[in-house]
Amino acid sequence: EVQLVQSGAEVKKPGATVKISCKVSGYTFTDYYMHWVQQAPGKGLEWMGLVDPEDGETIYAEKFQGRVTITADTSTDTAYMELSSLRSEDTAVYYCATPSGYWGQGTLVTVSS
Amino acid sequence: DIQMTQSPSTLSASVGDRVTITCRASQSISSWLAWYQQKPGKAPKLLIYKASSLESGVPSRFSGSGSGTEFTLTISSLQPDDFATYYCQQYNSYPSVWTFGQGTKVEIK
Repeated sequence: EVQLVQSGAEVKKPGATVKISCKVSGYTFTDYYMHWVQQAPGKGLEWMGLVDPEDGETIYAEKFQGRVTITADTSTDTAYMELSSLRSEDTAVYYCATPSGYWGQGTLVTVSS
Repeated sequence: DIQMTQSPSTLSASVGDRVTITCRASQSISSWLAWYQQKPGKAPKLLIYKASSLESGVPSRFSGSGSGTEFTLTISSLQPDDFATYYCQQYNSYPSVWTFGQGTKVEIK
């Protein structure tokens, strides 16, 4: 059974950095890109970027370029999404997802002073 | 960048109704379109991929059609479990940058 299990909820202050993990099981980690998607409260889905776990190549959405870093650790079959210079507008649920339609359960990040 | 426009934003319907949601791409994406269903507090669930292929385990009342720039998701007979928000997603560009439509909320009439 394919599973993407994300790390738990985070509360951060403005200006801080958050790093979320996404541990996969049930398939070969390097077979698929890993994407990250943001969903602000009551809003739609916004694509943030992807990593190719095979070689670490990344592509980021223009909106998040410069603040987001997506990585993959093939020794632990885990992908990471780090978002820096957090502001209140970054309060959202963050999902990891594969092109084959598997999604993590989501991680709520709350940015508040 | 490819933009995806869904309509309507909200749809009020009754159990048993036939429901159609439209998604338009700003340029041709061939058939590289997926449809997702999302319920409150849950991750999106894949319903349709490659415009018209039904994901395993998804009820046959869901169907997708279209190619190029215009696509539709149809629910042939709306069931109580189908009240949710639906998103289209394009994955045309290499290497698979995603763009989502703004979503369509299907509400009980």
